[in-house]
Amino acid sequence: DIQLTQSPSFLSASVGDRVTITCRASQGIGNYLAWFQQKPGRAPKLLIYAASSLQSGVPSRFSGSGSGTEFTLTISSLQPEDFATYSCQQVNLYPHTFGQGTKLEIK
Amino acid sequence: QLQLQESGPGLVKPSETLSLTCSVSGGLISSSNFHWGWIRQPPGKGLEWIGYIFSGGNTYYSPSLQSRVTISADTSKKQFSLRVNSVTATDTAVYFCTSAVFTSGWWMDSWGQGTLVTVSS
Repeated sequence: DIQLTQSPSFLSASVGDRVTITCRASQGIGNYLAWFQQKPGRAPKLLIYAASSLQSGVPSRFSGSGSGTEFTLTISSLQPEDFATYSCQQVNLYPHTFGQGTKLEIK
Repeated sequence: QLQLQESGPGLVKPSETLSLTCSVSGGLISSSNFHWGWIRQPPGKGLEWIGYIFSGGNTYYSPSLQSRVTISADTSKKQFSLRVNSVTATDTAVYFCTSAVFTSGWWMDSWGQGTLVTVSS
């Protein structure tokens, strides 16, 4: 299985901050990476697919980059509704594994 | 976007079979544009991919669960289902059904709200 390791696992930030979350794959996955946002008690929401494509309806302050084994999710200016857990997922090879998640909390 | 809704028992006894159904609206379950899948999330933990069923009926499962899992579909009822045999406490989780659409890769863009299944006697 392809392992995805996210860093950091926990992040404390303030409204208006720029934050970056990293996802590293145990082997190359091209650009077959998605980012999800999940709030407590809710289903995950697709934010980014194909490493850098913004899902319809997702605010432009979210962006993704990377290819191969290293990927980043950036939120350019944190809004109160952005405090949540973010997870990456690879869809290059089965099983379509997830990272362990990054919990973004208000400082 | 599709709407998905999970249903099934919230409590299952150890060694028994967990059975969940996902009802789909807003699209055809037989469409080749979608894969239909299950994801689970143990309390306080990360997401785990369980498997997919494709429009033609082919399935792919996580190797860690393959010996105990079956995903099937009933196109006439616009439903697909998950069965997990011989459950233990480690199968306690919120189970989500999802649909994946192809755009240079299969991306899970629609999710059910999730249903908590507890394995306990």
